This record gives sequence, C-alpha cells and structure tokens, in this order.
Amino acid sequence: GQNIDQPTEMTATEGAIVQINCTYQTSGFNGLFWYQQHAGEAPTFLSYNVLDGLEEKGRFSSFLSRSKGYSYLLLKELQMKDSASYLCAVRDNYQLIWGAGTKLIIKP
Amino acid sequence: DGGITQSPKYLFRKEGQNVTLSCEQNLNHDAMYWYRQDPGQGLRLIYYSQIVNDFQKGDIAEGYSVSREKKESFPLTVTSAQKNPTAFYLCASSTGGYVSNQPQHFGDGTRLSIL
Repeated sequence: GQNIDQPTEMTATEGAIVQINCTYQTSGFNGLFWYQQHAGEAPTFLSYNVLDGLEEKGRFSSFLSRSKGYSYLLLKELQMKDSASYLCAVRDNYQLIWGAGTKLIIKP
Repeated sequence: DGGITQSPKYLFRKEGQNVTLSCEQNLNHDAMYWYRQDPGQGLRLIYYSQIVNDFQKGDIAEGYSVSREKKESFPLTVTSAQKNPTAFYLCASSTGGYVSNQPQHFGDGTRLSIL
C-alpha cells in the first residue's frame, strides 16, 4: 500500500541543527515535496527533490535516496520562528500523497 | 501581491445545514484543489479541478460538492450529508496539474466546526 512516515514531534534548541526524516512506500515515485506549516496557517513550499542527493537552500537542505525510499529535511542555525510542522508529500504516478507532518518545537 | 484567499477564517455549521467555503486566487493558475486537514493525519484531497468547468473527485469527496465556473474561483460546499465536517479546510492552486512537479500554493484555511 501507499504509506508515508514522519516522526510526530521533535524538539530542538535554538541555534542547533535538526534533521526531520520522511520514509515512503509508494507504487511509483516522481518527486518529493517538503512544506512548512505554522499552526493555523497555510503550508508554504520549501523544497522539491526528484533526483538522489542533497539540495541546499540557505539554512534549509533536503536530501533524497530513491533506492531507500527516504528523504530528510535539515534545518541549520535554528530560530524560534522555525517552530512549525513540516510536511512531506510524495508524487507517485497518479496522485500526491501527504505525510501527517512533524511538529518541530524549538526551545531557547 | 498574488495569492489565494479563503473565507471565512472560521465557520460554524448547524445540523442539516449546507455551508460554502470560498476560495479565490489571482495567480493565474489552472489547477485548484480542496484538502481537509485533521489532527494526526496527512492532507486528504476532497476535489480538484485542472481547468474551468471541469473537476474530479479526490479521496474523500462524499458529502462535498464544488464548482469551477471561473478560473479564479473554486468554492466548496459542505453538505448535510457530511456527518463529520469539523476540520481545517485548505484550498490550493498550481500551474501544473495534480501530479506535476510544480508546488501547490495554499490559502490560510477555513476552520469549520459543528454548533
């Protein structure tokens, strides 16, 4: 079946680095999206990976391994405003499948 | 600035009542989507539309209806047949179709509750 797994909640310290994992089992694979969603607000697009490897965008990086069905979002130099949920979504042949999201709590 | 506007932000429904959630975009996107977000679950697709006057059911269309008479607008009606409507509803749009590599842009959502 189709499945996307993310940790439900993570806690990290301001200024540190955190890695949020996403594993997937889908009938096909045509790309993976990461979104950020602050509580009660719209999800906003962070990154898109379709090939293996690391994509870097400022403090945020996203990694993909298609053979392992695995991606991670790496957040560096954490700031309090990074407290949010991070959603992973996989594009298979027919649909976009969303993970339940990881709630990231940043402590001072 | 271009974006997606959802209204109202909060909505209350009485038993047996239909309610309509508004979604307007000025991004000139062809595709529009409605999702439902419940705690502990991923976004679930209710309906999507790839062009004007055409729309397709998503995974949980029962109890909902949509229309797409204009490119900019994609309203969602939650009918009395939807027995568990309490959720956060998100509207989105994109330049490509449903399974394209283009990201979806989201509105700020409507929180619907039962009175």
